[in-house]
Amino acid sequence: GAVVSQHPSRVICKSGTSVKIECRSLDFQATTMFWYRQFPKQSLMLMATSNEGSKATYEQGVEKDKFLINHASLTLSTLTVTSAHPEDSSFYICSATPPTADYEQYFGPGTRLTVT
Amino acid sequence: DAKTTQPNSMESNEEEPVHLPCNHSTISGTDYIHWYRQLPSQGPEYVIHGLTSNVNNRMASLAIAEDRKSSTLILHRATLRDAAVYYCILRPQVYNFNKFYFGSGTKLNVKP
Repeated sequence: GAVVSQHPSRVICKSGTSVKIECRSLDFQATTMFWYRQFPKQSLMLMATSNEGSKATYEQGVEKDKFLINHASLTLSTLTVTSAHPEDSSFYICSATPPTADYEQYFGPGTRLTVT
Repeated sequence: DAKTTQPNSMESNEEEPVHLPCNHSTISGTDYIHWYRQLPSQGPEYVIHGLTSNVNNRMASLAIAEDRKSSTLILHRATLRDAAVYYCILRPQVYNFNKFYFGSGTKLNVKP
């Protein structure tokens, strides 16, 4: 079945640095991908919609200059957390819709970001 | 966006059926009802979805109330591997229909 991967699975970075998280659709093309954030014991919160070849659209309250999204190809979207702070520590999850099953979202395994 | 309400947690015994309820009283006529589940430290996975009629697949059954203001996910025989957080989500059948707004979900504990 369709698979979405994320890299890295875990990352630790120092406060003030930037970190990039990759989301790939492994066996299908995705013109749209979604990024979510999940704090411990909380639900997923939609951050933004990543659109191939155009700008991402961000949910209300999400800082676009802090969470840079690039969807440069039909199989890859990246989320860069710029000038990371400890409060950005979270579980980041991406998702994409396979063209053969447009009712279903495939989610990546998530990336655990820890900012020290 | 239409909101869903689920119990925070439920408990079941292994190999017994589980009925997970979801209320969505503000659902619109074109909203699909989706269920996803999330195992610890993993991304969510699709379980089932429906519009008006009850649905069955290899994982579960979905019973939708006639007025569509509530639905119930049915796991016919719970296993320990079914312990997860189950999310009921409404998906609009319009532009950006794959944007999901997750509610708080129901954490299902399965006792051996």
